[in-house]
Amino acid sequence: QKEVEQDPGPLSVPEGAIVSLNCTYSNSAFQYFMWYRQYSRKGPELLMYTYSSGNKEDGRFTAQVDKSSKYISLFIRDSQPSDSATYLCAMSVNNAGNMLTFGGGTRLMVKP
Amino acid sequence: DADVTQTPRNRITKTGKRIMLECSQTKGHDRMYWYRQDPGLGLRLIYYSFDVKDINKGEISDGYSVSRQAQAKFSLSLESAIPNQTALYFCATSASRRGWETQYFGPGTRLLVL
Repeated sequence: QKEVEQDPGPLSVPEGAIVSLNCTYSNSAFQYFMWYRQYSRKGPELLMYTYSSGNKEDGRFTAQVDKSSKYISLFIRDSQPSDSATYLCAMSVNNAGNMLTFGGGTRLMVKP
Repeated sequence: DADVTQTPRNRITKTGKRIMLECSQTKGHDRMYWYRQDPGLGLRLIYYSFDVKDINKGEISDGYSVSRQAQAKFSLSLESAIPNQTALYFCATSASRRGWETQYFGPGTRLLVL
């Protein structure tokens, strides 16, 4: 069993829909949670970062962490075709060295 | 200009050949990383370096070696390439500051081993 599980998709939604992307994990020591966005033929770029449990909002994006359930989510409101990409969750035990454990990524397609 | 560059962007090689992938960064970061990405498996860490004299194995280092030629340069070598090393390879950098620092990724090298 992988430490971080993520549905590979693809997830196809119409423009304007609310998108929910999720990851589950098994290591209760994870404290730092990230979402990366990766466009085709590009490197991943950090989208959201949260520490421990709770919610964090940034424009149309909301990251949610539920440590009791070992479950994290990324919500995208008013999705746009430009949001079409692969979304990778990543986690870290501490902030000393940035050792990240990645999920497999979910491919999202937003259709006009 | 891109802050993290990788060369080559695409490479086809044959089983048994030695190849080198190069990474350069202009961000002034001291930490550099090499990952490989396979479909459905996310990114897995091959090697990482916290400064020029500090190099560490990651999760999947077998079959790979690295060289940190300078703070800005970190190379990954496949001594004798094999087909299951066919993957997308990413270099990343981060700064060593107090608190959490994000990693910045290069554009990737697509490697095919025949």
